[in-house]
Amino acid sequence: ETGVTQTPRHLVMGMTNKKSLKCEQHLGHNAMYWYKQSAKKPLELMFVYSLEERVENNSVPSRFSPECPNSSHLFLHLHTLQPEDSALYLCASSQDLQGPDTQYFGPGTRLTVL
Amino acid sequence: AQSVAQPEDQVNVAEGNPLTVKCTYSVSGNPYLFWYVQYPNRGLQFLLKYITGDNLVKGSYGFEAEFNKSQTSFHLKKPSALVSDSALYFCAVRDMRGYGGSQGNLIFGKGTKLSVKP
Repeated sequence: ETGVTQTPRHLVMGMTNKKSLKCEQHLGHNAMYWYKQSAKKPLELMFVYSLEERVENNSVPSRFSPECPNSSHLFLHLHTLQPEDSALYLCASSQDLQGPDTQYFGPGTRLTVL
Repeated sequence: AQSVAQPEDQVNVAEGNPLTVKCTYSVSGNPYLFWYVQYPNRGLQFLLKYITGDNLVKGSYGFEAEFNKSQTSFHLKKPSALVSDSALYFCAVRDMRGYGGSQGNLIFGKGTKLSVKP
């Protein structure tokens, strides 16, 4: 295991539902990330947090709302999603944003939007 | 612009044979380069990285990668493939543009599916 956990592992939701994805890292890292992995597309970086402050938001639709209450936890709140949002959502953490720090990934949440 | 290319969608290898998964990159300065592996229904697992120094980097599960600055390549290699090596492999480069929040971003290739047959 990488020290990064994600829950739930699978989620099926309707377009009008509200749900949240949770990520927790047990590595003492200061930076956390959300990625989206869709079939036949490169990994897309969604959000970056460093010391609980958002430092990057890559033009993600507002129906995705991140929250980082402390350096160990990261949430992705979902509401009124579209079927094209179905994907594997990956959380990662690294010691810091600077330098050659390795990002360690969680197992992902497989999201299906009906 | 920073970029990573993995020119092969799929690589097929017989068990016991050497394998190579190709990666080329484009960055404005010195790169930090990474290889990750993804097994079905799992997240990405770190294999190895190049920071500086020796061009041959050794990593997990018997994998190694060779940094070639003149060819801007970082190919992943293993002397003897195992069926259990079958997975999706990603090359990534650290974005070192050095402004705003982009310093920490990894830029990933599209991935190469490795299939090792018995």
